[in-house]
Amino acid sequence: DVKVTQSSRYLVKRTGEKVFLECVQDMDHENMFWYRQDPGLGLRLIYFSYDVKMKEKGDIPEGYSVSREKKERFSLILESASTNQTSMYLCASSLSTLGGARQETQYFGPGTRLLVL
Amino acid sequence: RKEVEQDPGPFNVPEGATVAFNCTYSNSASQSFFWYRQDCRKEPKLLMSVYSSGNEDGRFTAQLNRASQYISLLIRDSKLSDSATYLCVVNDYNQGGKLIFGQGTELSVKP
Repeated sequence: DVKVTQSSRYLVKRTGEKVFLECVQDMDHENMFWYRQDPGLGLRLIYFSYDVKMKEKGDIPEGYSVSREKKERFSLILESASTNQTSMYLCASSLSTLGGARQETQYFGPGTRLLVL
Repeated sequence: RKEVEQDPGPFNVPEGATVAFNCTYSNSASQSFFWYRQDCRKEPKLLMSVYSSGNEDGRFTAQLNRASQYISLLIRDSKLSDSATYLCVVNDYNQGGKLIFGQGTELSVKP
């Protein structure tokens, strides 16, 4: 079974703080993704990575950065948290970019609910 | 136009009912299609992949119509435990590995 874990289920931070969200997967997946999910807006892709040291901007990268130093770990960083970054953050991983349903199926972590005050 | 569109619902149905969800996608080059299920305050989980010939998994049947760029999910004999949000998902043909998620259709099965 694929397992994707996230460092915290709930997090409360103050405006201006630097926030680190960690994600680890144990299935040797190449691809990792960070999304945020807000009511009425669905899942929005922030950043993704196809390999160690690689990163690609998603649809809403502003205010975020990422780090992938090891294949199994993908970190999302909020450089200076703001109240509009209060959201549910979901990490996901998938096998490869070769195409086909099996490779592209994404497996999600349990999510981190972040509240920025 | 959104890349993947779904009726947000909610669909309120009695136990035992048959319910169908529809989804349209805008990129005719998309190759991989999925239905995910998301329970309240939980992460999305893969329900089933959708294949060109249509496929069935127990009470769940998925269909794909490439010509109309349309995907459907049929749930027969609804159970209370089917209550969830169902997300229609399509791959981004221009960027391998990236998936595009619909906003989801909420289903509530009542006793």
